Amino acid sequence: RKEVEQDPGPFNVPEGATVAFNCTYSNSASQSFFWYRQDCRKEPKLLMSVYSSGNEDGRFTAQLNRASQYISLLIRDSKLSDSATYLCVVIPGGTSYGKLTFGQGTILTVHP
Amino acid sequence: DGGITQSPKYLFRKEGQNVTLSCEQNLNHDAMYWYRQDPGQGLRLIYYSQIVNDFQKGDIAEGYSVSREKKESFPLTVTSAQKNPTAFYLCASSTPYGATTDTQYFGPGTRLTVL
Repeated sequence: RKEVEQDPGPFNVPEGATVAFNCTYSNSASQSFFWYRQDCRKEPKLLMSVYSSGNEDGRFTAQLNRASQYISLLIRDSKLSDSATYLCVVIPGGTSYGKLTFGQGTILTVHP
Repeated sequence: DGGITQSPKYLFRKEGQNVTLSCEQNLNHDAMYWYRQDPGQGLRLIYYSQIVNDFQKGDIAEGYSVSREKKESFPLTVTSAQKNPTAFYLCASSTPYGATTDTQYFGPGTRLTVL
């Protein structure tokens, strides 16, 4: 089983739609969780950290479910500019020095 | 402007050649990382360095080498021993490990193609 698994998609949604991505992780001792966004042929950029209590940043909501070992990202009122690959990132438990483990990414395409 | 620079943006290599990818940061970060990304896959860690003159192997270090002589610089050499080097290479840096929520900042990447 992969350490971090995502549904690769692609997800094709119209503007204004709500879309949600899930990501599962295998190490129950994992400490920190993030969502990164990667545009085509560009570097990943941090979208948001994921906190135990859940957190929201504008149209984006991230949640963590430790019992079921998954994190989620909800995007409301999708914009064309949201089209990108969304990477789930975990710092596994027992790892050294902020070593990130990446999922393979979920591709989102928002169309007019 | 603070940030991470990588050069070159595109690199073509003949089989059997070693090539060195540059990574420089002026963020005053202690930790630096090298990742490789293949199409449709997530990033995989090649090497990382917590402080100057120290570095550790990541998950796929075979066929690669690094040095960390200066805080700002973490060059990656792709040797001829790397069997499938064509990929997108990303360098990242972060603040010292103190909290588990450290963010890694990425450079723009180098696309290496072996001809």
